[in-house]
Amino acid sequence: DTEVTQTPKHLVMGMTNKKSLKCEQHMGHRAMYWYKQKAKKPPELMFVYSYEKLSINESVPSRFSPECPNSSLLNLHLHALQPEDSALYLCASSQAAEHEQYFGPGTRLTVT
Amino acid sequence: GQQVMQIPQYQHVQEGEDFTTYCNSSTTLSNIQWYKQRPGGHPVFLIQLVKSGEVKKQKRLTFQFGEAKKNSSLHITATQTTDVGTYFCAGLGTNAGKSTFGDGTTLTVKP
Repeated sequence: DTEVTQTPKHLVMGMTNKKSLKCEQHMGHRAMYWYKQKAKKPPELMFVYSYEKLSINESVPSRFSPECPNSSLLNLHLHALQPEDSALYLCASSQAAEHEQYFGPGTRLTVT
Repeated sequence: GQQVMQIPQYQHVQEGEDFTTYCNSSTTLSNIQWYKQRPGGHPVFLIQLVKSGEVKKQKRLTFQFGEAKKNSSLHITATQTTDVGTYFCAGLGTNAGKSTFGDGTTLTVKP
């Protein structure tokens, strides 16, 4: 099973809402990532978890809060977002930080 | 910080023509990975290169890693409409602990 799943596929939220994005992999990978991707741009790294511990935070605003409940799950909690946060949010996993990454299909987020 | 530049930004070809995208890093890389993202899709891993001067082939795709491990290329022979998408390189710096994506090359193929 080389699949990374993400829910929901689409999300529309107001600037005062609180929502969460979920990601799951069952490949036994020990590194998991959150990326933000705007149209016609490359994926922009937000967070990296290695062995369930946050190893990289790319100076992401605190309105984005990651969580890794266990080695298979990765969440991204959203609160008080801005319209410019509208983007495709991609989750990825890899065997280790230097290995190839497997991406999920993403959550298309619109902030109104 | 590490920068990864990719050229060209866009490439339009007639079906059957060849295509090449180039990736250049400001620092020496431990490895380089290539991904393809179809329109409306997500990045899909194609290949990883690790050794200096390494060349790998996947059917019509040829990947090269430069001798200095600072540049790489992806060449597609006789493009097909199924090759349409954006090709990204991602370079892992020797001390970075994370890969940096290039800006991507978007390929369109006219039948």
